[in-house]
Amino acid sequence: NAGVTQTPKFQVLKTGQSMTLQCAQDMNHEYMSWYRQDPGMGLRLIHYSVGAGITDQGEVPNGYNVSRSTTEDFPLRLLSAAPSQTSVYFCASSTTGPRTGELFFGEGSRLTVL
Amino acid sequence: KNQVEQSPQSLIILEGKNCTLQCNYTVSPFSNLRWYKQDTGRGPVSLTIMTFSENTKSNGRYTATLDADTKQSSLHITASQLSDSASYICVVSAGNRDDKIIFGKGTRLHILP
Repeated sequence: NAGVTQTPKFQVLKTGQSMTLQCAQDMNHEYMSWYRQDPGMGLRLIHYSVGAGITDQGEVPNGYNVSRSTTEDFPLRLLSAAPSQTSVYFCASSTTGPRTGELFFGEGSRLTVL
Repeated sequence: KNQVEQSPQSLIILEGKNCTLQCNYTVSPFSNLRWYKQDTGRGPVSLTIMTFSENTKSNGRYTATLDADTKQSSLHITASQLSDSASYICVVSAGNRDDKIIFGKGTRLHILP
């Protein structure tokens, strides 16, 4: 039972490069989201989706793109990496959304931008 | 402004001892409050969820309390084990929007043998 799977676990980028963080869940959850976790701060919502074809911005969306073509996958794209995007990124999913349903998190993707 | 404040920032206790972590929030309107456990290098895992009408919820050696009047919650860990070493994050949901959940910064707990 895989749950939420994130790849890659670690990535180093140079400023200006682009990349995609992958997230897949096998629990048939409608709700999926991306958070970033920085030292001394709580998790912050980047983008979320309440179902295939539907995405919306969270608290810190600038510099990131998402799409939701299937229920299972929710990739996060960094368009032009900046050092400020150095962080640990978590993908999470939920049956009905985090307000009423439990969030299931992936193991995280640690990104360093030089 | 919706905020979730946790204390202490970090805590060190001996194995077998009890401890209590605190969470104060100013989120309005309040929907529910969760405690998550995050092991080093892993994603958070839900421990408990409490709604407005609940004041105590247990999950094994973890007991969460909620005082909705004073907007305070606590997480009590009984007979601590080495595996309890982790960060504990208080998360409060506001109103009726799925993007309005506020994460505390967490309390880092170290259990010493």
